[in-house]
Amino acid sequence: AQKVTQAQTEISVVEKEDVTLDCVYETRDTTYYLFWYKQPPSGELVFLIRRNSFDEQNEISGRYSWNFQKSTSSFNFTITASQVVDSAVYFCALSEAYTGGFKTIFGAGTRLFVKA
Amino acid sequence: DGGITQSPKYLFRKEGQNVTLSCEQNLNHDAMYWYRQDPGQGLRLIYYSQIVNDFQKGDIAEGYSVSREKKESFPLTVTSAQKNPTAFYLCASRGTWGYTFGSGTRLTVV
Repeated sequence: AQKVTQAQTEISVVEKEDVTLDCVYETRDTTYYLFWYKQPPSGELVFLIRRNSFDEQNEISGRYSWNFQKSTSSFNFTITASQVVDSAVYFCALSEAYTGGFKTIFGAGTRLFVKA
Repeated sequence: DGGITQSPKYLFRKEGQNVTLSCEQNLNHDAMYWYRQDPGQGLRLIYYSQIVNDFQKGDIAEGYSVSREKKESFPLTVTSAQKNPTAFYLCASRGTWGYTFGSGTRLTVV
C-alpha cells in the first residue's frame, strides 16, 4: 500500500540551529516520485524538490538539503542554520504512476517553529 | 505570470447551502486536483481531473461535486450533503515537475 509517514508533528528550534524533518514512505512500485512542499502561514503550498526513485543522489540547495535512501525508504529534509522565515508546515509526498495518470498522497505534515 | 488562482480566499456558508469554490489555471496543465486540509492533517484528495470533460472521485468525494468544461477551470461545489465542510481547500494542477497549488480557500460553516 502507498503510505507517507511524517512522524514529527511539530518541531521547535532556535534560529541558526540545524533541523531535520523525517519522511518515511511505503510503495510497491519501483518507479515513483518523492516531493517536499512548504506551506507558510498564508496557506499556499510551495514546491521545494522532486526526486525520482532512480536518483538517490543527495541534493543541496542553499540551506536546504535532502537525503534520499531507498534502503530505508526515507527522504529526509534538513534545513541548515534555520531562520524565522523557515517557520511553516512541511509536507512530504509520494507519487506513483498508474494507467491514466499519477496517484499522489501526502504525509500529515511537520510544523516547524523557528524562534528568534 | 503563470499560476493558479483560487477564489474567494475566505468563504462563509450557512448550513444547508451549496457553495462553489473557483479554481483557474493558466499553466496549460491537463490535470487538476482538489484537496481538503483539516488542522493537523495532511492533504486529502476530493476529486481530480486528468482531462477536460472527465473527472474522478478521490478519497473523500462524498458531499462534493466538480465540473471540468474548460482546461483552465475546475470549480468545486460543496453541497449540503457534506456533513463537515469547514476546512481549508487547495486546488492544484500538475505539470512535468509536480504540482502547482493555489493559495487556498478557507470555508467556514456558520
